Amino acid sequence: DAGITQSPRHKVTETGTPVTLRCHQTENHRYMYWYRQDPGHGLRLIHYSYGVKDTDKGEVSDGYSVSRSKTEDFLLTLESATSSQTSVYFCAISESGRAAFFGQGTRLTVV
Amino acid sequence: AQRVTQPEKLLSVFKGAPVELKCNYSYSGSPELFWYVQYSRQRLQLLLRHISRESIKGFTADLNKGETSFHLKKPFAQEEDSAMYYCALSTNYGQNFVFGPGTRLSVLP
Repeated sequence: DAGITQSPRHKVTETGTPVTLRCHQTENHRYMYWYRQDPGHGLRLIHYSYGVKDTDKGEVSDGYSVSRSKTEDFLLTLESATSSQTSVYFCAISESGRAAFFGQGTRLTVV
Repeated sequence: AQRVTQPEKLLSVFKGAPVELKCNYSYSGSPELFWYVQYSRQRLQLLLRHISRESIKGFTADLNKGETSFHLKKPFAQEEDSAMYYCALSTNYGQNFVFGPGTRLSVLP
């Protein structure tokens, strides 16, 4: 498996609080992605990065921000968590789009 | 805009029967297509990609540019094939990696 780790693996947080999820890779891949997975919707792209400090919005970016200050780390921040952001979040990495390799996922519950 | 559709949310077959999971895409350029599999509560795993034309776990998929399809096939389903299957499209050398909604395959004994 590609070297991708997500932290935390599980989190419960209260509505209105900020939350940061971390994705760390050891593969030196250029592209990193954050997806959310919800029943009936599959995987939807939140944000992606094509290099250090180079990021762009995906399909469902409202309420989320990202940062990539180092090649190996891609952070996803929920600025003020809402119940609609309860989901499973997956990070993925890719080198030139040949394939995306996924982390184990973070299960986030907003109460 | 790029889009991937998988018309079946759920597909149930009996063990030993043939399986075909459908995938259609919309993209004006030359895409790279992939199939991913997700077993219960696990990470998504790459199953196969169209450029390598390989067969993994007995599954194959052929890119049909005329029909913009990339259907996944297996001649004889096994119970361990039960999982969620996602078709995905990569464009612009990885700047955009789009997934379909997924099809849950259930192989019955």
